[in-house]
Amino acid sequence: DIQMTQSPSSLSASVGDRVTITCRASQGISNNLAWFQQRPGKAPKSLIYAASSLQSGVPSKFSGSGSGTDFTLTISSLQPEDFATYYCQQYNSYPFTFGGGTKVEIK
Amino acid sequence: EVQLVESGGGLVQPGGSLRLSCAASGFTFTTYYMSWVRQAPGKGLEWVATIKQDGSEKFYVDSVKGRFTISRDNAKNSLYLQMNNLSPEDTAVYYCARRGFFEYWGQGALVTVSS
Repeated sequence: DIQMTQSPSSLSASVGDRVTITCRASQGISNNLAWFQQRPGKAPKSLIYAASSLQSGVPSKFSGSGSGTDFTLTISSLQPEDFATYYCQQYNSYPFTFGGGTKVEIK
Repeated sequence: EVQLVESGGGLVQPGGSLRLSCAASGFTFTTYYMSWVRQAPGKGLEWVATIKQDGSEKFYVDSVKGRFTISRDNAKNSLYLQMNNLSPEDTAVYYCARRGFFEYWGQGALVTVSS
């Protein structure tokens, strides 16, 4: 199985900050990587697929990059509604696997 | 507008069974792989199963193989998850999602396995 390792597991940031979350796959997954946002008590929401493609309706302050084993999600200017938990997921091969999550909290 | 609505969750005793349903609307159901993803209380996300458009191929996480069955009824635009021999470790919110990269999610159905 492909292990997905996210870092950091949590971070504190201020409104307006630029935030970067990393995700590393235990083996190459090409660009078959997605990112999700989950607010407390809500279903996850798709942000990025194919490592860098923005899901329809997602603001351009979210961006993704990477290929192979190393990936990043960047939020260019953190807003109050962005405080949430973020997950990466590989869909290159079964079983699909998620990273452990990164909780973004208000500083 | 794409909508996925789960139903069928509830409290079940260990060893019991439950069937989840997911009603899909707002898109051509027959053209998409569909999946189930779960989240145990306070934990991260775990992929459970995926089914091909025509139901001819099904994929499962090892922990549910032989106990869970994913299926679909394309005439009814519906996805199902039959869960047998449930254990407390299966307690989670179960989400249905479109495709293998989960571009749309339902609101979730809570399954609690407890005596």
